[in-house]
Amino acid sequence: KQEVTQIPAALSVPEGENLVLNCSFTDSAIYNLQWFRQDPGKGLTSLLLIQSSQREQTSGRLNASLDKSSGRSTLYIAASQPGDSATYLCAVRRVQGAQKLVFGQGTRLTINP
Amino acid sequence: GAGVSQTPSNKVTEKGKYVELRCDPISGHTALYWYRQSLGQGPEFLIYFQGTGAADDSGLPNDRFFAVRPEGSVSTLKIQRTERGDSAVYLCASSPGNEYEQYFGPGTRLTVT
Repeated sequence: KQEVTQIPAALSVPEGENLVLNCSFTDSAIYNLQWFRQDPGKGLTSLLLIQSSQREQTSGRLNASLDKSSGRSTLYIAASQPGDSATYLCAVRRVQGAQKLVFGQGTRLTINP
Repeated sequence: GAGVSQTPSNKVTEKGKYVELRCDPISGHTALYWYRQSLGQGPEFLIYFQGTGAADDSGLPNDRFFAVRPEGSVSTLKIQRTERGDSAVYLCASSPGNEYEQYFGPGTRLTVT
């Protein structure tokens, strides 16, 4: 059974810092991995999608990497801003039965002005 | 264009009552997913539709939960004899096909008193 873990559960940093969020998964046979952002009381917004054949994806100040063999992904946020405060979730899609996403519990990020 | 919409946004019901939660997917999306998110946790898969049929309902917790998608568009998640443990945010997502990125709605917050 695929399990996804995110560390840390919560993170608070001053504005302007670069930071890394971690995601690990137990079964390396994944189809893709997705990072989401969730604001309080809101749904999920997709940030980056990495296919299993890719090593990283970039969008603006965000960079996500994938190391399938070690079961890890990281989300790098450059020059953090207060507007980046949210919960960040990673989710993996299995190779077989690739329909459902298996989520981690999320990292609650607070950027202090 | 319009995203995934869910109604109601909030639902409070008494233990033992029946509830229906509605999801309107993005127009043209053939795949539809339901997830449940408990406080402080990541979403957990409930059921997946491809067209009108439930292709995977392995995440439904018990037979009190049922979902339909009669015309391959709107879906309704039905919960019978609600229990306090059913309290959560119910998220719906849709995608153009079963291996594409999923787009999430804002969710329905269900509270069972």
